[in-house]
Amino acid sequence: AQSVTQLGSHVSVSEGALVLLRCNYSSSVPPYLFWYVQYPNQGLQLLLKYTSAATLVKGINGFEAEFKKSETSFHLTKPSAHMSDAAEYFCAVSDRTGNTGKLIFGQGTTLQVKP
Amino acid sequence: EPEVTQTPSHQVTQMGQEVILRCVPISNHLYFYWYRQILGQKVEFLVSFYNNEISEKSEIFDDQFSVERPDGSNFTLKIRSTKLEDSAMYFCAMGQGGYGYTFGSGTRLTVV
Repeated sequence: AQSVTQLGSHVSVSEGALVLLRCNYSSSVPPYLFWYVQYPNQGLQLLLKYTSAATLVKGINGFEAEFKKSETSFHLTKPSAHMSDAAEYFCAVSDRTGNTGKLIFGQGTTLQVKP
Repeated sequence: EPEVTQTPSHQVTQMGQEVILRCVPISNHLYFYWYRQILGQKVEFLVSFYNNEISEKSEIFDDQFSVERPDGSNFTLKIRSTKLEDSAMYFCAMGQGGYGYTFGSGTRLTVV
């Protein structure tokens, strides 16, 4: 069965500092991988997705993530944090071999950005 | 991303009452999903729906839950007899795999 582990339920960075949110997955075959952001009392917005093209994926708002098969990881990074980046971030995996297409989400990481 | 409309945005209901949550996709999709998020917790898969049938459901999706797409447009989630523990944010979504997924803005259900 697929699973997603996000290391660190809470990450705090200073404005302008590097953001690194960790995600590891478990899957028998390389899955589709996604990062979503959720602002307070709002829905889920797609940041970026990995679908087997380039292993370094660029998303919105300056975020990017690198798929590393050997490490079964898909960590999210941003070179310079902005106050508006404060939100909940979810890593998710979808089985590319199944036909239901469901997403399995990690526990989420709350990103705090300090001035 | 195209917008997915969910109604109502917030619903308060008495325990034991039936609720119907609605989702209106903007563009044509084949795969539909419902997820829920209990306050402060992760997003959990409830059910996937393809070709007017349930294709997969989680253990959360018991006999109290049902889904349908009655008019080929609205996609609904019905909870027959709500319990306190059904209080959560419910999201509908559509899409598949490499094409990505679009989520609705959610319905906050509060059972009192």
